[in-house]
Amino acid sequence: QSVLTQPPSVSAAPGQKVTISCSGSSSNIGNNYVSWHQHLPGTAPKLLIYDNNKRPSGIPDRFSGSKSGTSATLGITGLQTGDEADYYCGTWDSSLRAVVFGGGTKLTVL
Amino acid sequence: DVQLVESGGGVVRPGGSLRLSCAASGFNFDEYGMSWVRQGPGKGLEWVSGINWNGGSTGYADSVKGRFTISRDNAKNSLWLQMNSLRAEDTALYHCARRRYDSGGNYFFDYWGQGAKVTVSS
Repeated sequence: QSVLTQPPSVSAAPGQKVTISCSGSSSNIGNNYVSWHQHLPGTAPKLLIYDNNKRPSGIPDRFSGSKSGTSATLGITGLQTGDEADYYCGTWDSSLRAVVFGGGTKLTVL
Repeated sequence: DVQLVESGGGVVRPGGSLRLSCAASGFNFDEYGMSWVRQGPGKGLEWVSGINWNGGSTGYADSVKGRFTISRDNAKNSLWLQMNSLRAEDTALYHCARRRYDSGGNYFFDYWGQGAKVTVSS
């Protein structure tokens, strides 16, 4: 049982937009910054978003992040087949004093 | 380019031990805290352990406290995780990850390795 809650799966057609939600509480998302990571099985996870909405260099602006209250959202526009992966949200939990993650969302590009 | 390469995974019987290694390159290793994060089969990511830049401060998830030990050698650009008294529920892919501070003074992970697979089974 993950501390943060994500939908198990989302899907959309190539070229379309998809959003992935991440729900937490005041001890984590509500008072701390959120990061998002992309993981293709067999490869190293990749940081997509940090500080709720900042992109590391090299991450295209098709990827965006936002936060409101105790929830965060990852948005991906102009979907490509190469975007098929598992996506994880993460944040600091002030009560647990550790980084916590969501259970992951599998994105299928139909 | 930043690279993190794990090794040392394998199959071990319950109660056994294993030592994972992480070789870092492409950045000043002694300037960053590091962590181990695992993903069990069909499960999400779980932080396991972390260590600060000089090894002077370490932390562990409750699930591994007293059984796992994290360490590092900055001269060798290496991170280790000594895992003792292994249990079936420790079966997972173990990633080493570089820590970076966010704007709130807490940390997140900006680079990850591909992972080392650990299977605990009789």
